[in-house]
Amino acid sequence: SQTIHQWPATLVQPVGSPLSLECTVEGTSNPNLYWYRQAAGRGLQLLFYSVGIGQISSEVPQNLSASRPQDRQFILSSKKLLLSDSGFYLCAWNQRWPGNQETQYFGPGTRLLVL
Amino acid sequence: AQTVTQSQPEMSVQEAETVTLSCTYDTSESNYYLFWYKQPPSRQMILVIRQEAYKQQNATENRFSVNFQKAAKSFSLKISDSQLGDTAMYFCAFMKPIEGAQKLVFGQGTRLTINP
Repeated sequence: SQTIHQWPATLVQPVGSPLSLECTVEGTSNPNLYWYRQAAGRGLQLLFYSVGIGQISSEVPQNLSASRPQDRQFILSSKKLLLSDSGFYLCAWNQRWPGNQETQYFGPGTRLLVL
Repeated sequence: AQTVTQSQPEMSVQEAETVTLSCTYDTSESNYYLFWYKQPPSRQMILVIRQEAYKQQNATENRFSVNFQKAAKSFSLKISDSQLGDTAMYFCAFMKPIEGAQKLVFGQGTRLTINP
């Protein structure tokens, strides 16, 4: 079965410090991968998505970047964190069902607090 | 632009009651998918139910069912025989294609509390 991992689970970082969040999927190959951010008490906003190794698309301009160095690895980074980067970050992958149906499944998330 | 609206920020019912969460959406697409996700205090996003727009039959998963009204662009979630473990934020989401991938557009969520 497929599983998705994220680490760290919680992170407290000072303003101006770098960031690296990692997402790994097991049990599938060539998945579409996604990074979403959730502000407190709100819905999710898509930040980046990737359809393959080295292929990154950005949905919103921001202080963050993403990379996909391996088929099942997706990394969210920043060179200098801002206070506004605080939030809950979720990685997701797409499962394709027969009939070209698709469903996204989410990892456990990373709580990021920038102080 | 595709948008999803959940008009009930909070709801509260007694255990074993039935509760319906509302969701409306706006899209010009003819074929699409709709989802309800549950987010308990752990904040893990858990898929509750999905609906393909081309299917007229409403999706059902055990105690969870939807009322999909395509013409009205309405997609409500009904929880029957509610349980304490159903307490969570519930998000309605619309899936749209984006350059070889799929994007979920979420509503703002409904906080559901099941009281003993």
